[in-house]
Amino acid sequence: EIVMTQSPGTLSVSPGERATLSCRASQSVSGKVVWYQQKPGQAPRLLIFGASTRATGFPARFSGSGSGTEFTLTITSLQSEDFALYYCQQYDNWPYSFGQGTKLEIK
Amino acid sequence: DVQLVESGGGLVQPGGSLRLSCAASGFTFNTYWMHWVRQAPGKGLGWVSRSDTDGTSISYADSVRGRFTVSRDNAKSTMYLQMNSLRAEDTAMYYCVRGGSFDLWGQGTLVTVSS
Repeated sequence: EIVMTQSPGTLSVSPGERATLSCRASQSVSGKVVWYQQKPGQAPRLLIFGASTRATGFPARFSGSGSGTEFTLTITSLQSEDFALYYCQQYDNWPYSFGQGTKLEIK
Repeated sequence: DVQLVESGGGLVQPGGSLRLSCAASGFTFNTYWMHWVRQAPGKGLGWVSRSDTDGTSISYADSVRGRFTVSRDNAKSTMYLQMNSLRAEDTAMYYCVRGGSFDLWGQGTLVTVSS
């Protein structure tokens, strides 16, 4: 099973600043990575598909990048509604697997 | 509206059974792979199973293989998760997810396994 490791576990950033979240796969996943945003009491919401394609409804301040085993989610000019949990997930090999999540909190 | 609605969760004793349903609407259900994902209270996400478009190719996570069975009725645009021999560690919110780009999730149904 491919292990997805996210870092950091918690990221404290001030509104208006930039946040960089990392996700590392234990083996190459060929760019087949998804990022989700999850807020308390809600289902996860697709944010990024195919490592870099932004989902409908998310503004351009969200961007994804990476290939092989290293992937990054960048959020510029953080807004209050961006503080949430973020998960990466690979869909290259079954069983698909999630990272443990990064909590983005207000500094 | 394009949506997935799960139902069937509840409280069940260890060793018991439960059947979850996922009703799809607003899209052509029989053209999508479908998935079950779960999340234990306060914990991260974990994949449970996936089904191809007609239910002939189904995969399971090791933790549920042999105990859980997925099926789908494309005429009813509904997917099912039959859960047998339930354990405390199966306690979680269960979500159904549309395949392809994983862009559509249901609101989840909570399963609690406890005596």
